[in-house]
Amino acid sequence: QKEVEQNSGPLSVPEGAIASLNCTYSDRGSQSFFWYRQYSGKSPELIMSIYSNGDKEDGRFTAQLNKASQYVSLLIRDSQPSDSATYLCAVNIDSGYSTLTFGKGTMLLVSP
Amino acid sequence: DTGVSQDPRHKITKRGQNVTFRCDPISEHNRLYWYRQTLGQGPEFLTYFQNEAQLEKSRLLSDRFSAERPKGSFSTLEIQRTEQGDSAMYLCASSLGGSNYEQYFGPGTRLTVT
Repeated sequence: QKEVEQNSGPLSVPEGAIASLNCTYSDRGSQSFFWYRQYSGKSPELIMSIYSNGDKEDGRFTAQLNKASQYVSLLIRDSQPSDSATYLCAVNIDSGYSTLTFGKGTMLLVSP
Repeated sequence: DTGVSQDPRHKITKRGQNVTFRCDPISEHNRLYWYRQTLGQGPEFLTYFQNEAQLEKSRLLSDRFSAERPKGSFSTLEIQRTEQGDSAMYLCASSLGGSNYEQYFGPGTRLTVT
């Protein structure tokens, strides 16, 4: 059973703080990792992808990957109330079929 | 708008009826995916097409579900003899293919079975 685990939250942070979202996965064959943002009632929106160990930065977002620990995280700097959403971690196992396995998501609440 | 589109956005049907959803992927994307999402859960994979070939189906996809992508462009997902447990958001996503696994989702079709 290939699993992706996330703390459901909610994670509450004040505006301007750093939000740290974490995800663990069970399958060591996992190759590609993605973070999606999903506002209530909307569909998931891709915000970050990461494929190799280390950090990847894009604006206020930083994705971190540690394949040895089977751990991927998302940092959001200078959090804004508009960042309040559910953040989904998704993992692809390179089976050739490129399907994604999602976690249940972590709800982030950024208070003004 | 050149993103993934889905139609209809909402569907209310009575138990036992058949429903069909349509997905139009991003034009240059050759991979198309269907997912289902219920409240409090992440999307769950249903099926995957590369061009017109259906390459993978989840065990979640019972015999009542069928999907097609006849010309490698748009796709349809049909649910026959709907059940209340089919109520969910049905999401379509597409990706470019090759070594690019980034998937972009459409707005989804929310199905309510009464």
